[in-house]
Amino acid sequence: ETGVTQSPTHLIKTRGQQVTLRCSSQSGHNTVSWYQQALGQGPQFIFQYYREEENGRGNFPPRFSGLQFPNYSSELNVNALELDDSALYLCASSSLADTQYFGPGTRLTVL
Amino acid sequence: AQSVTQLDSQVPVFEEAPVELRCNYSSSVSVYLFWYVQYPNQGLQLLLKYLSGSTLVKGINGFEAEFNKSQTSFHLRKPSVHISDTAEYFCAGGTSYGKLTFGQGTILTVHP
Repeated sequence: ETGVTQSPTHLIKTRGQQVTLRCSSQSGHNTVSWYQQALGQGPQFIFQYYREEENGRGNFPPRFSGLQFPNYSSELNVNALELDDSALYLCASSSLADTQYFGPGTRLTVL
Repeated sequence: AQSVTQLDSQVPVFEEAPVELRCNYSSSVSVYLFWYVQYPNQGLQLLLKYLSGSTLVKGINGFEAEFNKSQTSFHLRKPSVHISDTAEYFCAGGTSYGKLTFGQGTILTVHP
């Protein structure tokens, strides 16, 4: 059974640019959640996708957007990058309302 | 709104000593509670979870936690720690639709 994978591992961008992060969910899971973990902080919920529809959103601006594909993989897009967007972005997959299993994360640095 | 508070930001302990990492939650609805561990430069690994039933939950690597509704706590314990337990530990609370609210984390450092 393949676990949750994320790509890329590391990414460096400059302010104002756009970035796309990718997540492949664990086999059998239909729900993907995204979290932002700033340095020294706990992860914060960005949004969740269930069967290709957004199913809950945290306190993040609209420049954070996402997609879920028919195979339940997912993308997180961030437009107009700001310095404070530098963080570890974690993807978690699950069956809806069940335990979330996390990927290794993508480390985004905004210069 | 649900919140999760981890009462200690850092916990140093000697190898083979017992440890307790403290977590309090607040919620007016039924909650699911979790402990995750994060090793340096890695994602989160599930240690254990409480959904319902027995209040004493056993997890991987010898960890256990007790759900205490009257004290709104979900403390993590291990009777004898190893060097390899050095990591950051996160307590999290969830709702029925799966959004997790995390505490700020507790860095456990095990000294030889």
